[in-house]
Amino acid sequence: GEDVEQSLFLSVREGDSSVINCTYTDSSSTYLYWYKQEPGAGLQLLTYIFSNMDMKQDQRLTVLLNKKDKHLSLRIADTQTGDSAIYFCAERRSGGYQKVTFGTGTKLQVIP
Amino acid sequence: NAGVTQTPKFQVLKTGQSMTLQCAQDMNHEYMSWYRQDPGMGLRLIHYSVGAGITDQGEVPNGYNVSRSTTEDFPLRLLSAAPSQTSVYFCASSYSSRGGNYEQYFGPGTRLTVT
Repeated sequence: GEDVEQSLFLSVREGDSSVINCTYTDSSSTYLYWYKQEPGAGLQLLTYIFSNMDMKQDQRLTVLLNKKDKHLSLRIADTQTGDSAIYFCAERRSGGYQKVTFGTGTKLQVIP
Repeated sequence: NAGVTQTPKFQVLKTGQSMTLQCAQDMNHEYMSWYRQDPGMGLRLIHYSVGAGITDQGEVPNGYNVSRSTTEDFPLRLLSAAPSQTSVYFCASSYSSRGGNYEQYFGPGTRLTVT
């Protein structure tokens, strides 16, 4: 079955780079997403990458995709205290709108 | 645009009670979903809809009903609440873009406790 795994927790100092990792199992992935959830709020889409790409950059965010190893990462440059949140990766497979699996989330703590 | 709105924000129910969680979107999105979020688990899909009048079951549908009489509204009904339904519930809406991508927009969530 489909499985998306993330480490539970990451702590970084303000100004450093953060790297949040995600692994998935389904080789039929089409799109992979990163969402941010702030306390008491819903998920907000940060960025996504199509499965035939290996990198996407969007301001401070860099997404790397290693399709062979089924590994996705999100790098946040110059991490700020406002980046403290839970980050979810999600994998979309072909076959319809409902074919998406979310990871368990990584809680990013930014130390001032 | 208000985006995706959910009511109530918080709810406490006793075992066996029923209630409806409301979800509305004003973006004219075709697709809508209900998820539950539990500690240490990713979001799990309860039910979804691909258009007005069309709904289907997701991964964990037992104990929940949905309907989609309009594009805007997608209520989730708990038929007879159980402690196992204590969770945070998120509604999401989406449109289909080029290449099979669906960008999902999430509501703020409803935190439900069943005692």
